[in-house]
Amino acid sequence: AQTVTQSQPEMSVQEAETVTLSCTYDTSESDYYLFWYKQPPSRQMILVIRQEAYKQQNATENRFSVNFQKAAKSFSLKISDSQLGDAAMYFCAYRSGRGAQKLVFGQGTRLTINP
Amino acid sequence: SQTIHQWPATLVQPVGSPLSLECTVEGTSNPNLYWYRQAAGRGLQLLFYSVGIGQISSEVPQNLSASRPQDRQFILSSKKLLLSDSGFYLCAWIVHTEAFFGQGTRLTVV
Repeated sequence: AQTVTQSQPEMSVQEAETVTLSCTYDTSESDYYLFWYKQPPSRQMILVIRQEAYKQQNATENRFSVNFQKAAKSFSLKISDSQLGDAAMYFCAYRSGRGAQKLVFGQGTRLTINP
Repeated sequence: SQTIHQWPATLVQPVGSPLSLECTVEGTSNPNLYWYRQAAGRGLQLLFYSVGIGQISSEVPQNLSASRPQDRQFILSSKKLLLSDSGFYLCAWIVHTEAFFGQGTRLTVV
């Protein structure tokens, strides 16, 4: 079974600086997708960024980018120019490209932005 | 448009009472639907998923059950709640690389 591990329960960063959240996963599949979700205090799940495993190029969305290392099974999220609104729980998630399309989540990283 | 509804938003139930959480989707047919639970400060654990009417797969043994009585309806139930059933429950609809989440239900068993 696939597993997702986020080894940083909590992280903090100064406003306007850059922070990187770590994620590793375990799979024997070659076709899959990786995601980062943000969960603010409202508990609403918000998609931050998505990466298809077959794409070598790292995904970027404005201030958010990933470092996808397929051989190492690593998928870190970099947040540049951190803003107070970035404070939230961040979840890394894996989805197989086949079967029931289950999303497997990591344990989450709580990100605090210091003004 | 594609939307997902989940209710109620909050629920306080006594130990031993029954539970019914409902999730419905609009704007699609034959969706893949999922129930997740999030314990306080923890990640999301997949409880059940359904790929069609009457088709339920359970991921972990527990005190809960799920049903899919209609194509766009997914229900999470329990006959007798335990204290350990407290948590935040999320319904999700996953299609290709998109995932839509309900607003969640905060369940407190007292």
